[in-house]
Amino acid sequence: GQQLNQSPQSMFIQEGEDVSMNCTSSSIFNTWLWYKQDPGEGPVLLIALYKAGELTSNGRLTAQFGITRKDSFLNISASIPSDVGIYFCAGPTSSGGGADGLTFGKGTHLIIQP
Amino acid sequence: DAGITQSPRHKVTETGTPVTLRCHQTENHRYMYWYRQDPGHGLRLIHYSYGVKDTDKGEVSDGYSVSRSKTEDFLLTLESATSSQTSVYFCAISHPDSTYEQYFGPGTRLTVT
Repeated sequence: GQQLNQSPQSMFIQEGEDVSMNCTSSSIFNTWLWYKQDPGEGPVLLIALYKAGELTSNGRLTAQFGITRKDSFLNISASIPSDVGIYFCAGPTSSGGGADGLTFGKGTHLIIQP
Repeated sequence: DAGITQSPRHKVTETGTPVTLRCHQTENHRYMYWYRQDPGHGLRLIHYSYGVKDTDKGEVSDGYSVSRSKTEDFLLTLESATSSQTSVYFCAISHPDSTYEQYFGPGTRLTVT
């Protein structure tokens, strides 16, 4: 099946720093999604990308759909303590679209040091 | 917040016993999903449903069955629980305008001893 590779696996940063993470796939995706999971809760959708080259922002978060359609990037500017959590990239399991489920990366753990 | 609840939220059971997890939605969405989350694996799809009585298998369906007799309820059953099924289970529903955009419940932490 499809696999999504996220990097880095974890990040230790200082409050106020900018954060960058990425997700790559061996196959082409038509949609990229970024989720965040807080401890003890379900993932929450942050950003959805539908077109190669697309750049979309949600507050301090900016995500890009790679031109090759095999990668995506998520940036967080001026990190704050509530940004702590696990960030997942995801894409449709098959060409049938998300109706038959999503494939998730293994996540990037973001830890903010005081 | 999408109206998704899961029950129970925590369960400890013994190997070989049957277990049923329930997902309930108040959004009247057609599509519902069950995922499991394990350290080092992210979230993996177990089963999904595209309507009442319409279900299909996901990536890790062995040992699990599902049923959907009403739009609002999607049940996940472990017929005979094994220790490898110790995990956190999440239910999700799809956004009505885009099945790519899925909304997750709070999760059920299942421990099989």
